[in-house]
Amino acid sequence: DVVMTQSPLSLPVTLGQAASISCRSSQSLVYSDGNTYLHWFLQRPGQSPRRLIYKVSNRDSGVPDRFSGSGSGTDFTLKISRVEAEDLGVYYCVEGTHFGQGTKLEIK
Amino acid sequence: QVHLVQSGAEVKKPGASVKVSCKTSGYTFTNYGISWVRQAPGQGLEWMAWISAYNGNTKYAQEFQGRVTLTTDISTTTAYMELRSLRSDDTALYYCARDVPASGGKNFFDFWGQGTLVTVSS
Repeated sequence: DVVMTQSPLSLPVTLGQAASISCRSSQSLVYSDGNTYLHWFLQRPGQSPRRLIYKVSNRDSGVPDRFSGSGSGTDFTLKISRVEAEDLGVYYCVEGTHFGQGTKLEIK
Repeated sequence: QVHLVQSGAEVKKPGASVKVSCKTSGYTFTNYGISWVRQAPGQGLEWMAWISAYNGNTKYAQEFQGRVTLTTDISTTTAYMELRSLRSDDTALYYCARDVPASGGKNFFDFWGQGTLVTVSS
């Protein structure tokens, strides 16, 4: 079974600074159709998860361009160019039905 | 717009069953599936099960096999999740999410309900 490992699990940041979250899978996520179905979600405190990025690097509708996703094979990264207060919460990488443990982005 | 609206919070005794509904709107119901994901207090997200709204095919996580049943009502574009033999560690927020229409496809969870808190306590 695929295991998704995120790091760090806690990420203190200063507003306006950049942030980066890593997600590693226990096996290659390249699917038989050639696509990689690695998605990123943000769960703000007290809210439902919201998808930000799908298939590694595609931003969902309404997601600010300060969010970017990259990676391939087993190593993936979510980057926020300049963290804003509304970005705080827990970020999850997901492939299929396998969720990472979550990375809590909080104010330093 | 796509909306998924779930039923309200439930309090159940150990051994009982709970049925949570997920009313959808804003898209063609039978073109997608619905997954159910739960989140224990202070914990991460855990996928439970999926149902195709097109043909009723289902998939269940091994942990919930035999205890969960998913159904849909096409006439009301509503999905249901029933969890039986409740235990205290079933206390969690339960989310529905729009998902892949057919088995074999890759899950994408693009829209989520607001969550339903199920509390299991004697």
